Amino acid sequence: AQSVSQHNHHVILSEAASLELGCNYSYGGTVNLFWYVQYPGQHLQLLLKYFSGDPLVKGIKGFEAEFIKSKFSFNLRKPSVQWSDTAEYFCAVNPRGSYIPTFGRGTSLIVHP
Amino acid sequence: SQTIHQWPATLVQPVGSPLSLECTVEGTSNPNLYWYRQAAGRGLQLLFYSVGIGQISSEVPQNLSASRPQDRQFILSSKKLLLSDSGFYLCASTSTGTYEQYFGPGTRLTVT
Repeated sequence: AQSVSQHNHHVILSEAASLELGCNYSYGGTVNLFWYVQYPGQHLQLLLKYFSGDPLVKGIKGFEAEFIKSKFSFNLRKPSVQWSDTAEYFCAVNPRGSYIPTFGRGTSLIVHP
Repeated sequence: SQTIHQWPATLVQPVGSPLSLECTVEGTSNPNLYWYRQAAGRGLQLLFYSVGIGQISSEVPQNLSASRPQDRQFILSSKKLLLSDSGFYLCASTSTGTYEQYFGPGTRLTVT
């Protein structure tokens, strides 16, 4: 079975700092990749997704993620974080053609103003 | 886009009591439906998923069961709750042919 690893469980940054959250998966085939975000008191929602094409994908609120197939990674980045980015971030992976995702354990991001 | 409704938002139940959590979906037809349990620092654990009315797949053997009596209704149940059933339960949906999930607001269950 595939697994998804998010190595950073808790990240604390100051506003304007750069962010990179790691996501690695173990699955040898083609995958669909997702980052979801859960802001305090809100629903989990999609931040961005990758299915095919340009491996650098852009999502909402200035986030982007890069799919590196050789490294089985899909790291999330933002050049300059804001206090409003404080949230929990989840990486998820579906084998291509499967509707069953595997989620990582999540990363809690706190941004100090 | 889809809207997922869940109720109740919070629930406190004694050990041994039954459970029924409901999830309904708006904005799509024939969705795939999912029940997850979210534990702090442990991500989302898939409990059940359904590709159609009456079709339920269980991912984790446990004290819970699921049913899908209507196309856009998904119910999580238990006959007798255990302390270990406490947690945050999320319902999610995907539209046919798509993979991104839409989540409900969740139900916080505390078993005492």
